[in-house]
Amino acid sequence: EPEVTQTPSHQVTQMGQEVILRCVPISNHLYFYWYRQILGQKVEFLVSFYNNEISEKSEIFDDQFSVERPDGSNFTLKIRSTKLEDSAMYFCASRSPKATGNQPQHFGDGTRLSIL
Amino acid sequence: KQEVTQIPAALSVPEGENLVLNCSFTDSAIYNLQWFRQDPGKGLTSLLLIQSSQREQTSGRLNASLDKSSGRSTLYIAASQPGDSATYLCAVRPPTLRANAGGTSYGKLTFGQGTILTVHP
Repeated sequence: EPEVTQTPSHQVTQMGQEVILRCVPISNHLYFYWYRQILGQKVEFLVSFYNNEISEKSEIFDDQFSVERPDGSNFTLKIRSTKLEDSAMYFCASRSPKATGNQPQHFGDGTRLSIL
Repeated sequence: KQEVTQIPAALSVPEGENLVLNCSFTDSAIYNLQWFRQDPGKGLTSLLLIQSSQREQTSGRLNASLDKSSGRSTLYIAASQPGDSATYLCAVRPPTLRANAGGTSYGKLTFGQGTILTVHP
């Protein structure tokens, strides 16, 4: 069964450095998402992306965050200047464009981001 | 603002028991509700998606029900097995055409905090 893949599985970065998290969504999916889960807390929505633009973002997704689909397969999340509180598990998800819209979101295994 | 709550926070049962996990949400204007399973250190595996117009959805030993007007969903697991041990999350999606600061929601999910299930042999 097709999967969402994320790399790296674990990223350790110094505070203030830029980090890029990478995702390869399922190939025929057109809706893409990033979520994060701080240890012991709920999974939180960050951003959704459709038709090469952000369709919705949360208050967490400030100017330090950006997303890009640089080619036909990758979907990236960039954090420009990382802070300690950015430490979390980051999940990428994608969804099929089938007409009904009631398609499940499929999640990757996540990237654990640790800011030192 | 949508809030999703799951009860209980943790549940420990012997193998073979039937069990019910509960999910409640504050805004009944949802498009669908999805149940996920999360194993430690892993991603989220979609178990069931129940549309707002549906009352229940079944997959194998799993049955999810939805009462949209009262803001509740349950996940029923029949004949539980040790392999069912995981955290179970529910998440709701708002209607697609709901404007959000001038945009359109394309499926933002709001999650509960999860129920940690342990099934012991």
